[in-house]
Amino acid sequence: DIQMTQSPSSLSASVGDRVTITCRASQSISIYLNWYQQKSGTAPKLLIYAASTLQSGVPSRFTGSGSGTDFTLTISSLQPEDFATYYCQQSYTTPRTFGQGTKVEIK
Amino acid sequence: QVQLQESGPGLVKPSETLSLTCSVSGGSISSYYWSWIRQPAGKGLEWIGRMYNSGSINYNPSLKSRATMSVDTSKSQFSLKLSSVTAADTAVYYCAREVEAAGRSLDYWGQGTLVTVSS
Repeated sequence: DIQMTQSPSSLSASVGDRVTITCRASQSISIYLNWYQQKSGTAPKLLIYAASTLQSGVPSRFTGSGSGTDFTLTISSLQPEDFATYYCQQSYTTPRTFGQGTKVEIK
Repeated sequence: QVQLQESGPGLVKPSETLSLTCSVSGGSISSYYWSWIRQPAGKGLEWIGRMYNSGSINYNPSLKSRATMSVDTSKSQFSLKLSSVTAADTAVYYCAREVEAAGRSLDYWGQGTLVTVSS
């Protein structure tokens, strides 16, 4: 299985901060990397697919980059509604695998 | 707007079979992969498997062949059965749609249903 490792596991930030989350795959996955946001008690929501394509309706402050094994999710200016847990997922092969999550908390 | 809704028993006894159904509305069940994902309380997401019109099915080997997925296109539903359950199978179970054209991402999710394994 392809292992996905996110860092950090959690972070504290203030509204307006720039936040970066990284995701590393144990082998090359081209650009088959997706990012999801999950708020407490709700289903994950797709933010970015194919490493850098913004899902329809997602604010432009979210950007994704990377290819191969190293990827990043950046929130350019953190908003109150962005406090959540973020997961990366590889869709290069099955079984699909997720990172362990990064919890973004209010500082 | 595509909507997915999971249904099934919230309590299953150890060693029995967990059975869940996902009802799809607002769109066709054809031409997509349909997936199951689970999440134990306070933990991360685990992919269970996906299927395409019963013709192509992939399971997570970690489930050791306990999972079986099926689809009923006439009812716009797909299902998951997980046999020989233990407490480790207690989780919120989500169904979701996988879209090839969007990097094989999961673009629509059900709200999730909690399944507890306990006697």
